[in-house]
Amino acid sequence: EIVLTQSPTTMAASPGEKVTLTCRASSSVRYIHWYQQRSGTSPKLWIYETSKLASGVPSRFSGGGSGTSFSLTINSMETEDAATYYCQQGTSYPPITFGSGTKLEIK
Amino acid sequence: QVQLKESGPVLVQASGTLSLTCTVSGFSLTNYGVLWVRQPPGKGLEWMGIIWTNGDTDYNSALKSRLSINRDTSKNQVFLKMNSLQTDDTAIYYCARNIYPALFDYWGQGVMVTVSS
Repeated sequence: EIVLTQSPTTMAASPGEKVTLTCRASSSVRYIHWYQQRSGTSPKLWIYETSKLASGVPSRFSGGGSGTSFSLTINSMETEDAATYYCQQGTSYPPITFGSGTKLEIK
Repeated sequence: QVQLKESGPVLVQASGTLSLTCTVSGFSLTNYGVLWVRQPPGKGLEWMGIIWTNGDTDYNSALKSRLSINRDTSKNQVFLKMNSLQTDDTAIYYCARNIYPALFDYWGQGVMVTVSS
C-alpha cells in the first residue's frame, strides 16, 4: 500500500502570499491528484495528473513533482483558497489512498 | 449535468447495518465507476470501496469483511451496505464518479451518518 504524507498539517497564509503544500509518497507513483474541500462541503477535484488544473480552477494554482515528492502551489493566496487540500494517488490500487490533508487558513 | 446524491438513514444503532444509496444522473454506470469514501467528523478521507464499469468491486481491506457495494444500472443507483456498525463508523459518507481508474471528478453532497450506542 502506498502511503501519502502531507505537510504541513495546518498553515496560515496572508493574502498575496505564495503557498506551497507538499505530498510525499512511500513509493514512486506516476502522478498525484489534489482535491480541495472547503468547510462544510464535499471535496472537489482541483489538480489531476500532478499538474493539470480541473475546470474552473484559478490559474494562480499549479502542481508539480515526480516520483515520491509532489507539491501544490498557490502563487498569490486569496481568501477563497482557505480550505483543506488532500492528495490522492491513482497509480497503484487497490487501495486508493489519500493523504491526511493540509488545512490552509487565511491570516 | 452530472450529479450524485447519497441517501439513507442518518441514525443507525450500534451492531446494526447501514444501507446507503447513491443515485446518479447525467452519466451511465456502465461507462463510469463509483467510489465510496467516508470522513469522520474533523478527520480526513477514507476510501471504502469502488464499483467499476463492469460491476467488479474492490474494497478497503480493513472494511472488506463487513462491506458490500453493488448497483442497479437500470435505476442509476449504487448501493453500499455495511454491517456490524460501531460508533467509530460515524462519518459523512460520500459517493464520487470515477472518470478513469482512480480519478474522481464529481462528488455527491454527502450524508452524515451517526452510529448510536
